[in-house]
Amino acid sequence: DIVMTQSPDSLTVSLGERATINCKSSQSILYRSNNKNYLAWYQQKLGQPPKLLISWASTRESGVPDRFSGSGSGTDFTLTITNLQAEDVAVYYCLHHYYTPWTFGQGTKVEIK
Amino acid sequence: QLVQSAAEVKKPGASVRVSCKTSGYSFDTYGISWVRQAPGQGLEWMGWISIDNIKTTNVQKLQGRVTMTRDTSTSTVYMELRSLRSDDTAMYYCARVALGGVIDYWGQGTLVTVSA
Repeated sequence: DIVMTQSPDSLTVSLGERATINCKSSQSILYRSNNKNYLAWYQQKLGQPPKLLISWASTRESGVPDRFSGSGSGTDFTLTITNLQAEDVAVYYCLHHYYTPWTFGQGTKVEIK
Repeated sequence: QLVQSAAEVKKPGASVRVSCKTSGYSFDTYGISWVRQAPGQGLEWMGWISIDNIKTTNVQKLQGRVTMTRDTSTSTVYMELRSLRSDDTAMYYCARVALGGVIDYWGQGTLVTVSA
């Protein structure tokens, strides 16, 4: 199975500042035939189901603010939240769907300083 | 929309069936995945059922105790978990699976509590 490891487990950021969350896979999740990274990022606010933010490592979903961006390829990926807002307080998860079983990272909790 | 069935309380050793009724999109175009979340914990992928009814489950985690079915007449997917244990207590989510395996929309969750 592919293991997804996020870092840090939690971070505290001031309003308007940048939050950076890393996700590392135990093997490459880049499918060379279509040059796609099989990685998604989700935001889960307290008491709510997760919400898809980013698919294919860097494609922002419709309606997601452009302060959210995803980058990386192969085994190392990053979710960046610029200009952090109060409503961004949540737990963020990466998920690979390269082959089954799909696995999530352990989550990164983002709080406001 | 993905609307899930109500919360359940079960005894150890029992089975539970959770339903996920879909609407607002073509049921035959998307798969459905199941994900669970124990209280205060992270997300655990349980498996998915594809549009051509191919079922893939997280055998290592669930040891063959889960069954997923699709009813195209009602656009509903079901997940049954057998031989329940206390560590199966969790919020269970169904979620839509788009082309390529992207999980894009989630149900509201169904809380399953396993307690003697």
